Amino acid sequence: AQSVTQLDSQVPVFEEAPVELRCNYSSSVSVYLFWYVQYPNQGLQLLLKYLSGSTLVKSINGFEAEFNKSQTSFHLRKPSVHISDTAEYFCALEETSGSRLTFGEGTQLTVNP
Amino acid sequence: NAGVTQTPKFQVLKTGQSMTLQCAQDMNHNSMYWYRQDPGMGLRLIYYSASEGTTDKGEVPNGYNVSRLNKREFSLRLESAAPSQTSVYFCASREHGTGSFQPQHFGDGTRLSIL
Repeated sequence: AQSVTQLDSQVPVFEEAPVELRCNYSSSVSVYLFWYVQYPNQGLQLLLKYLSGSTLVKSINGFEAEFNKSQTSFHLRKPSVHISDTAEYFCALEETSGSRLTFGEGTQLTVNP
Repeated sequence: NAGVTQTPKFQVLKTGQSMTLQCAQDMNHNSMYWYRQDPGMGLRLIYYSASEGTTDKGEVPNGYNVSRLNKREFSLRLESAAPSQTSVYFCASREHGTGSFQPQHFGDGTRLSIL
């Protein structure tokens, strides 16, 4: 069985500071990896995904994540955060042969002025 | 574009009451999903439907039933609500198994409180 662990439940940072949200996973088979973002009172939106190829994937709003197979990690980073990045972030995986997402517990990112 | 629409957005029930949560998607997706979200536990899959006419249990199916009414609609029913079912429920849909990878699209959720 697969699992996803997000190592920090809450991450408070100041505006324009860098941030890293940590995600580790466990699976005996090949997986796809994802980061989803949830703004207050909304559903989840896909932020970025790793399917294959380059291990560094980027979103249009400055986030990036690196797939590290040896460390079974997929950490999310942004060099300079904005107030508008305040949200809950979920790491998730899906087996390449499957159709079901497994989510981590979520990390609440709060960006303070 | 409506995407995935869930109704109602909010609901309060008493223990033992029944309730059906509705979900409809207008993207012609073949697969649909129901999740529950609880603090500190992420999203957990309740049931899913890989295609019209099929449904399968997810991680936490006990106390729930589902119906894939047609390709657009996938409903979740609580026959006898319990306080442990207080949660935020999300429906999602995707096109799966027909070529390139397609992600799941989520509705805005139904916030359900059971007293």
